[in-house]
Amino acid sequence: SQKIEQNSEALNIQEGKTATLTCNYTNYSPAYLQWYRQDPGRGPVFLLLIRENEKEKRKERLKVTFDTTLKQSLFHITASQPADSATYLCALDMGLGYGQNFVFGPGTRLSVLP
Amino acid sequence: EPEVTQTPSHQVTQMGQEVILRCVPISNHLYFYWYRQILGQKVEFLVSFYNNEISEKSEIFDDQFSVERPDGSNFTLKIRSTKLEDSAMYFCASSPRGQGRLQPQHFGDGTRLSIL
Repeated sequence: SQKIEQNSEALNIQEGKTATLTCNYTNYSPAYLQWYRQDPGRGPVFLLLIRENEKEKRKERLKVTFDTTLKQSLFHITASQPADSATYLCALDMGLGYGQNFVFGPGTRLSVLP
Repeated sequence: EPEVTQTPSHQVTQMGQEVILRCVPISNHLYFYWYRQILGQKVEFLVSFYNNEISEKSEIFDDQFSVERPDGSNFTLKIRSTKLEDSAMYFCASSPRGQGRLQPQHFGDGTRLSIL
């Protein structure tokens, strides 16, 4: 079955620096990959989607890359702020039917220190 | 901005009892999902629902679980004969139609289920 690993359970960085989070998966490559943010006691919130034929996607201070050869996605937050502190999840769609069937990674808990 | 709402926010139930978790998806969405997250663990897919039937389900979603869309707005998850290990946060999500599968899912803030 598909297995997803995220680089570390927790990552601490200084405000203003770039945070880089890693998502690695095994088995076959999905057609696309999504990144979500989850705050304590809240549901995941969608951030970015990247397709297999896209090398890079940007949204404001966020950037995602997708390397199907390495079976890896990198998620970058530039000019990080304390408000960026949260758990970040990558998700792969394993669905075969009409709906999606997301397999989520375990998440990386990011702490941006002032 | 429209959002997915879930009730109750916290449900405490005796082991062996039945529980129904309720969700109101975003009104123009057509795909509905349930996930669970055991404390400190990852978010796990349970079931997807489209056109009034289950589209996919995981190994977790066994005969103990069922889903229903009883009217045009609610989407429910029923857990029969609850067990201690059913204690978790249960998230409902929905997504719109269009662009095939390339849609973000919109999650509610979950129901925390505690089995005693």
